[in-house]
Amino acid sequence: DARVTQTPRHKVTEMGQEVTMRCQPILGHNTVFWYRQTMMQGLELLAYFRNRAPLDDSGMPKDRFSAEMPDATLATLKIQPSEPRDSAVYFCASGYRGYPYEQYFGPGTRLTVT
Amino acid sequence: AQTVTQSQPEMSVQEAETVTLSCTYDTSENNYYLFWYKQPPSRQMILVIRQEAYKQQNATENRFSVNFQKAAKSFSLKISDSQLGDTAMYFCAFERIRTGNTPLVFGKGTRLSVIA
Repeated sequence: DARVTQTPRHKVTEMGQEVTMRCQPILGHNTVFWYRQTMMQGLELLAYFRNRAPLDDSGMPKDRFSAEMPDATLATLKIQPSEPRDSAVYFCASGYRGYPYEQYFGPGTRLTVT
Repeated sequence: AQTVTQSQPEMSVQEAETVTLSCTYDTSENNYYLFWYKQPPSRQMILVIRQEAYKQQNATENRFSVNFQKAAKSFSLKISDSQLGDTAMYFCAFERIRTGNTPLVFGKGTRLSVIA
């Protein structure tokens, strides 16, 4: 049963620390998304990649967030320095290039910045 | 830009009854997908049902069905024979049709409680 995996599942850190979240998309999927879920904003797109190339990162605060795909099996989202307002659940999702264009979500990383 | 609106922040339904969750959206696109996702307390996002805008027939998946009104830009979810396991947040989502996946635009969600 192919699944998107994310690590860590939970992260508690102090303000100012670097946070790295990792995502392993489903093998063969060529599109990877990062979404953030907060009570106030709901689910919103941070960035996405196709064939490892970034297509849109307009949802990310550029001064502190960065997203990369070092290879086809790994996507990373980094926050440096972290702030309390970054506390949220971060989801990775991957998609296949063909119909029906469904996105498969990972279990999410719950980040708490104190 | 696309927007998705879910006007019911919370709903409740008795077990075995039927409930309908509302969703409206705004877009200038003619072809697109609409989805309902379920998010139980585990936080996992689970696809419930999908509708292609070019299909007139409403999608159904077992106890779940949609009422898709393209002209009205309305996409409601009906859950029949509600079960305790249906208790969750439900999100309506929109996706443009391009070559390959495009980002989902989500509504704010409806919290559904199924009462025994």
